[in-house]
Amino acid sequence: DVKVTQSSRYLVKRTGEKVFLECVQDMDHENMFWYRQDPGLGLRLIYFSYDVKMKEKGDIPEGYSVSREKKERFSLILESASTNQTSMYLCASSLGGVYEGEQYFGPGTRLTVT
Amino acid sequence: ILNVEQSPQSLHVQEGDSTNFTCSFPSSNFYALHWYRWETAKSPEALFVMTLNGDEKKKGRISATLNTKEGYSYLYIKGSQPEDSATYLCAFDGYGGSQGNLIFGKGTKLSVKP
Repeated sequence: DVKVTQSSRYLVKRTGEKVFLECVQDMDHENMFWYRQDPGLGLRLIYFSYDVKMKEKGDIPEGYSVSREKKERFSLILESASTNQTSMYLCASSLGGVYEGEQYFGPGTRLTVT
Repeated sequence: ILNVEQSPQSLHVQEGDSTNFTCSFPSSNFYALHWYRWETAKSPEALFVMTLNGDEKKKGRISATLNTKEGYSYLYIKGSQPEDSATYLCAFDGYGGSQGNLIFGKGTKLSVKP
């Protein structure tokens, strides 16, 4: 079974802090994604990566950056956390190069910025 | 901006009832339509990935149909059970191939009362 893990389930940070959210997948997937989930808004894509050191902006990249130095790891960075970044963050991965690109999700990190 | 709509937003049914929900998506540049189930405190997990017009897929008591020409998919649950309580997400894939970038609907939250 594909396993996607995220470094924390719950995180509380202060405004202005730099925040790192880590995601690791163990199935050699090419594609990795970061989403945020807010009530009434659905899953929104922040960034995705289809290869090591490659990254693409999603729908809401402002205030975020990402890093993919190794195939299995995709990090989301909040350069200076703000209260409007309080949200549930989900990481996902999928195989590349195949049409049935179902995504496998991690358990999520609920981030609170105070 | 591509829009994926799901209805209803929420649904409350009794155990044993059959139910269905709708996902509407752009009918142009279609590549695939995904359905995910997201139970509280768990990761979203893929139910179906559908690619062909007229496609029907089934997994136990859950089935889905696809109409790419008119841009909709139905998810059916026969004889709902309390363990079916979850949010059901559909996601439109207009890219396919190696990127697998999905646009998610806001979900239908199903509650099944014993």
